[in-house]
Amino acid sequence: LAKTTQPISMDSYEGQEVNITCSHNNIATNDYITWYQQFPSQGPRFIIQGYKTKVTNEVASLFIPADRKSSTLSLPRVSLSDTAVYYCLVGGVNTGKLIFGQGTTLQVKP
Amino acid sequence: GAVVSQHPSRVICKSGTSVKIECRSLDFQATTMFWYRQFPKQSLMLMATSNEGSKATYEQGVEKDKFLINHASLTLSTLTVTSAHPEDSSFYICSPKHSETQYFGPGTRLLVL
Repeated sequence: LAKTTQPISMDSYEGQEVNITCSHNNIATNDYITWYQQFPSQGPRFIIQGYKTKVTNEVASLFIPADRKSSTLSLPRVSLSDTAVYYCLVGGVNTGKLIFGQGTTLQVKP
Repeated sequence: GAVVSQHPSRVICKSGTSVKIECRSLDFQATTMFWYRQFPKQSLMLMATSNEGSKATYEQGVEKDKFLINHASLTLSTLTVTSAHPEDSSFYICSPKHSETQYFGPGTRLLVL
């Protein structure tokens, strides 16, 4: 199973763009990269998923370089409500379970 | 899409009793279900993996006779904490898998007195 490494914490201000980078050096060929957001006392919420290059949805973008050994979640114009823990996980259709790392605690300040 | 429900959302029980937690995928079918638990200020820890109609596979250190998992259908899985003790107090989260994506339930807060 691919291990992921992310910064433990990040601070930002409202309206700024936030980029959280995750390294996953031993990602397997079949692995997808998925990011989740978790608020206290809630289950993780799916944000975005990608396999390679760039993926964008209504809440975030995910940048994946050609070697896929890292990925960057980009949150445009964050607000106070984006304060949460963000998890980067890698896994695939055939590799089954997702193992959580410590995640990145994002604190958005006014 | 990808709506997951858990019931109950929170439960308080006496030591020695059993508690059943239900997890339902409301708008998709999940051939694989994962159960996690999360202690305060910590990350999610995988407890077990179950496939519909098969016995669950437990992670190292998780007692299979204490945490009974049933995955009887593609939309329902249950986790029963048998003879619960205070150290079982935690936040339990189910995670049904659909294609290459795992989704997560809202979690169940268990407090054992």
